[in-house]
Amino acid sequence: DVKVTQSSRYLVKRTGEKVFLECVQDMDHENMFWYRQDPGLGLRLIYFSYDVKMKEKGDIPEGYSVSREKKERFSLILESASTNQTSMYLCASSSSGRAETQYFGPGTRLLVL
Amino acid sequence: QQQVKQSPQFLIVQKGGIPIINCAYENTAFDYFPWYQQFPGKGPALLIAIRPDVSEKKEGRFTISFNKSAKQFSLHIMDSQPGDSATYFCAASRGFGNEKLTFGTGTRLTIIP
Repeated sequence: DVKVTQSSRYLVKRTGEKVFLECVQDMDHENMFWYRQDPGLGLRLIYFSYDVKMKEKGDIPEGYSVSREKKERFSLILESASTNQTSMYLCASSSSGRAETQYFGPGTRLLVL
Repeated sequence: QQQVKQSPQFLIVQKGGIPIINCAYENTAFDYFPWYQQFPGKGPALLIAIRPDVSEKKEGRFTISFNKSAKQFSLHIMDSQPGDSATYFCAASRGFGNEKLTFGTGTRLTIIP
């Protein structure tokens, strides 16, 4: 069965802290994505990656970076967390050429105080 | 810039009724239109999808209607059940070779017993 796991379901961090959100998929997918989900704003793409060590900016990359050292793992980094980054973060993966079918993890709810 | 507009944001329907969620897009290059369903505490999951060469697609109680000239598509749920209560997202993609999905803002649907 398809599985995307995220390292934490809930996180509480302080303003200015460096935050790492980890995502692992077991489907050998080439593509991986990070979204944030906010009420009334839907899912907004932060970064995505088509392959190991490749990354592309999404629609809202400011304040975030990513790392993809292994095919199965895609990390989202908040270099200096701010309160406006309090949100639900969702990771997804898809097979190359079939990006329309994205498989999502359960999400990490991040609270920045 | 919101390329996929979704309405309504909230929808309450009695059991057995037919909730309808509408989406409109601007980019005529979009050629794949999926709907994702998200239950509380879970990530979104692909529900049903359509390509613009057909005007309607049915899968069980879920139907997508597509109007290419109006650049609109909608999700209908026949004989709705309380278990259909979830958040629904429409999305659009430029298809093969372009790996991103652009999501609508979401509709929180509640089916009252």
